[in-house]
Amino acid sequence: GAGVSQSPSNKVTEKGKDVELRCDPISGHTALYWYRQRLGQGLEFLIYFQGNSAPDKSGLPSDRFSAERTGESVSTLTIQRTQQEDSAVYLCASTGGGNSYEQYFGPGTRLTVT
Amino acid sequence: KDQVFQPSTVASSEGAVVEIFCNHSVSNAYNFFWYLHFPGCAPRLLVKGSKPSQQGRYNMTYERFSSSLLILQVREADAAVYYCACLRDTGFQKLVFGTGTRLLVSP
Repeated sequence: GAGVSQSPSNKVTEKGKDVELRCDPISGHTALYWYRQRLGQGLEFLIYFQGNSAPDKSGLPSDRFSAERTGESVSTLTIQRTQQEDSAVYLCASTGGGNSYEQYFGPGTRLTVT
Repeated sequence: KDQVFQPSTVASSEGAVVEIFCNHSVSNAYNFFWYLHFPGCAPRLLVKGSKPSQQGRYNMTYERFSSSLLILQVREADAAVYYCACLRDTGFQKLVFGTGTRLLVSP
């Protein structure tokens, strides 16, 4: 595709429900990152996938958060038993690797937990 | 701990040169990346590298542990959040982002 896409663009859910957010990286990009941006705050690293290596999960805030990626394709971020403090914009970025390391960001998913 | 530091807010007037400073404590990081982020849009890379560089109105200075983004002839439309990031170059390479600097531009 032309760029990184994310779906849905907006998600409103009730507290306690599970949500799944999807990221389609640029075709051929080996690395994929998930970030969270709460209102008025900066980018918060969540998780990083690089090829077939074990992901770097050091940024996941709790065990309610998990992410999967199969090979170098789509990734899903799952938040179980959502809480109001999970409300944020969730951004995905992919990188082609090599010597570039430029991250190409998607437009984000705005999650609102009511 | 791998961290990138930048001011939370910088204010300027139209037409001025704005400087946004960044420094880091990221192990084995030699490259800086500066991103522009308008809320609701995807962050966009402005300039990057391991040496001073320029892309249009955006200049990047470079020191081993710090960098500044200079925006020339700043406009009201430049009001946004600017992120500094460093590439941690140890095995599992990863971009480490700062918390962003909100640029305020007055007419």
